[in-house]
Amino acid sequence: EAGVTQFPSHSVIEKGQTVTLRCDPISGHDNLYWYRRVMGKEIKFLLHFVKESKQDESGMPNNRFLAERTGGTYSTLKVQPAELEDSGVYFCASSQGSWTDTQYFGPGTRLTVL
Amino acid sequence: SQKIEQNSEALNIQEGKTATLTCNYTNYSPAYLQWYRQDPGRGPVFLLLIRENEKEKRKERLKVTFDTTLKQSLFHITASQPADSATYLCARGTGGYQKVTFGTGTKLQVIP
Repeated sequence: EAGVTQFPSHSVIEKGQTVTLRCDPISGHDNLYWYRRVMGKEIKFLLHFVKESKQDESGMPNNRFLAERTGGTYSTLKVQPAELEDSGVYFCASSQGSWTDTQYFGPGTRLTVL
Repeated sequence: SQKIEQNSEALNIQEGKTATLTCNYTNYSPAYLQWYRQDPGRGPVFLLLIRENEKEKRKERLKVTFDTTLKQSLFHITASQPADSATYLCARGTGGYQKVTFGTGTKLQVIP
């Protein structure tokens, strides 16, 4: 069974540009999460999808971040325009159902904003 | 706000010894605590979950405890091996949905 995949693995952009990160969850997982780790800090929750609906987006930093999950399958996270403080590693995770279900993490996308 | 604190940034131990990592939480007791392993360049991998009404949970060489009085969880790796070297993350969760709050992690180095 394929795990959670993320694309790209690494992105380097200049301040003011737009970047779109993609996450493909494990097939059949209704729950999809985005997290971010900035250097030296803990992994922080960004948002949670249940199928195509946003269950909780309380961790989204500001309106420069837009997450979508078309048809309840893959998800994208767009940053527009990117700022220096957006640099970090963005993780996606998915889980099947109940609230104690294991979350399976992808390898992350390392975003560097210059 | 609810916080998770892993006080040790790094821990070095000799192969064969038991590694003990500490996780402290603030405010009210979480519904559960989780422990993850993270290797460089990879995402966290779930290891164990312990609920607030459980005192201890074991899985092979791993053992986790949950002390609601001390507001603390301990994570033990017995008979440690160099392959156990990684960063270990503690995370708290709340009931109802699965938003988790992570600690900053403890980097464990097992020396042969």
